[in-house]
Amino acid sequence: DTGVTQSPTHLIKTRGQQVTLRCSPISGHKSVSWYQQVLGQGPQFIFQYYEKEERGRGNFPDRFSARQFPNYSSELNVNALLLGDSALYLCASSFEGGPYEQYFGPGTRLTVT
Amino acid sequence: EDQVTQSPEALRLQEGESSSLNCSYTVSGLRGLFWYRQDPGKGPEFLFTLYSAGEEKEKERLKATLTKKESFLHITAPKPEDSATYLCAVQGNSNTGKLIFGQGTTLQVKP
Repeated sequence: DTGVTQSPTHLIKTRGQQVTLRCSPISGHKSVSWYQQVLGQGPQFIFQYYEKEERGRGNFPDRFSARQFPNYSSELNVNALLLGDSALYLCASSFEGGPYEQYFGPGTRLTVT
Repeated sequence: EDQVTQSPEALRLQEGESSSLNCSYTVSGLRGLFWYRQDPGKGPEFLFTLYSAGEEKEKERLKATLTKKESFLHITAPKPEDSATYLCAVQGNSNTGKLIFGQGTTLQVKP
């Protein structure tokens, strides 16, 4: 079975630019969550989507937005990039949005210069 | 405020030297506690889910236990390939699916 896939693997952007990260969940999973992981820290929750509806939002500014498509894939958008947005962005999928295991993809490494 | 604290931050073991990692948590209504393994530059790999105090799960050299305030990840006779960062996360009773992670314990097992 194919696990969670994310693209691109690495990305370098300049301050003020916009970026779109993509995620495809495990087949049969209907929920996608996004996390930001800064080096040396645990992942921080950004969003969860279930059945194309936003179920939760973490403590991130409005520059961060996301959406989920009918095939359950998802995009994370970040506008007006700051140096502090440099991090590993992780996508996780789960069967539903409740207390189910979340399975993570390999992540997208974003570097903002 | 929901919070997870892991200790120690780093642990060095000799191959075969058993030890335990600690995860202390405060959460409003625990719906699940999760252990993950993360290798450098990669996404976390799911290991265990624990739902209630007294529950235990085992997988190869790893055993996870849960009390009302903390969880332990016991590593028996570790091998160098067990070297990784181990992350603990909890999910509370909000309906957001949010996982709250600790900062992780980085384990190095020397041959």
